[in-house]
Amino acid sequence: DGGITQSPKYLFRKEGQNVTLSCEQNLNHDAMYWYRQDPGQGLRLIYYSQIVNDFQKGDIAEGYSVSREKKESFPLTVTSAQKNPTAFYLCASSIMAGGNEAFFGQGTRLTVV
Amino acid sequence: GQQVMQIPQYQHVQEGEDFTTYCNSSTTLSNIQWYKQRPGGHPVFLIQLVKSGEVKKQKRLTFQFGEAKKNSSLHITATQTTDVGTYFCAGLPPGGTSYGKLTFGQGTILTVHP
Repeated sequence: DGGITQSPKYLFRKEGQNVTLSCEQNLNHDAMYWYRQDPGQGLRLIYYSQIVNDFQKGDIAEGYSVSREKKESFPLTVTSAQKNPTAFYLCASSIMAGGNEAFFGQGTRLTVV
Repeated sequence: GQQVMQIPQYQHVQEGEDFTTYCNSSTTLSNIQWYKQRPGGHPVFLIQLVKSGEVKKQKRLTFQFGEAKKNSSLHITATQTTDVGTYFCAGLPPGGTSYGKLTFGQGTILTVHP
């Protein structure tokens, strides 16, 4: 089955630790996105990538890092510099960056204690 | 930078009533997309509008894109309990340094009372 997979679904970490969220797609999509969802604030863009080996900061990139070494993969690292990391993280992909529907993964709910 | 504002934040309706959510961008958009997120789920694409003044319909849902390509609306006629969820608009800029930056509005949470 083609799709976009995020793992794990739930993740718990201690404060001060870095954590990496996985996002894999087998749709052969060029563009990939990471969003953070908090209650009442919709989806806020963290990073996006239009093509492999390239990515741009979104609106709330501070405290996060990404890589795009492979077309299929766009992992997100939540660093200890992120002041409020507990949130629901959604990864998405689209055929290309210029205006096609985005397909979302199931999301990862990160809780930092 | 580009901002996409969506109102209202919440809407409670009785089943059978109509519902409308509005989306406004601070800048002109290349196109606008609409998504629905069911409770506990992830956003699912509904439609994309590209042309100025465009109107598209999907059964009871009507989508409009403003003439200036800065605003959009989603109207649901005769809501059903299956319409429950959060409706998001998402805008793409025309190009330049923000090319490909898909920005979402805050969403409208729709509750339908049977």
